[in-house]
Amino acid sequence: KAGVTQTPRYLIKTRGQQVTLSCSPISGHRSVSWYQQTPGQGLQFLFEYFSETQRNKGNFPGRFSGRQFSNSRSEMNVSTLELGDSALYLCASRQGDYGYTFGSGTRLTVV
Amino acid sequence: QQPVQSPQAVILREGEDAVINCSSSKALYSVHWYRQKHGEAPVFLMILLKGGEQKGHDKISASFNEKKQQSSLYLTASQLSYSGTYFCGTGSTGSARQLTFGSGTQLTVLP
Repeated sequence: KAGVTQTPRYLIKTRGQQVTLSCSPISGHRSVSWYQQTPGQGLQFLFEYFSETQRNKGNFPGRFSGRQFSNSRSEMNVSTLELGDSALYLCASRQGDYGYTFGSGTRLTVV
Repeated sequence: QQPVQSPQAVILREGEDAVINCSSSKALYSVHWYRQKHGEAPVFLMILLKGGEQKGHDKISASFNEKKQQSSLYLTASQLSYSGTYFCGTGSTGSARQLTFGSGTQLTVLP
């Protein structure tokens, strides 16, 4: 069974630009969550999607948005990038009440 | 509010045991445990649910005290491969799918 696939793995963007990150969950997993990981703040919840609906949203500004498609693939978008958005963005999928399977992440650097 | 993990770091010799604790101020529905090695994604170890159900790897054991909102992860007869950062993620009643992660416990196993 293929794992959670995130693309791209690395990204360098300039302040003010926008970025779109992609996540393909494990086949059959309908729940997809996004987390931001930084050395200072640790792992922080961004949002969770299930069957194309956002069920939960973390405490992040409106510049962070996401969506899920009918095949459960998900994208997250960050507009008007700031230096503080530099982080590892992790996508995770799950089935039922089991644990999350995380992707390898997208490391975003904002310069 | 993020759960509190203790200890922050621990160094062991191969074969020794360790306990990692996770404490929350919120009423919990679930506690997840993950291990992350440097440069890799977090890997699911165990989920403990309100009511006593546990799911995860056979060689990992953990406890969940629902009244005290505390969980402990027990690592016995540690191996070199156990090294990494251990995170607990808590799902509170009403926001079970939105995990709040602790700041992590860095475990180092020496030969």
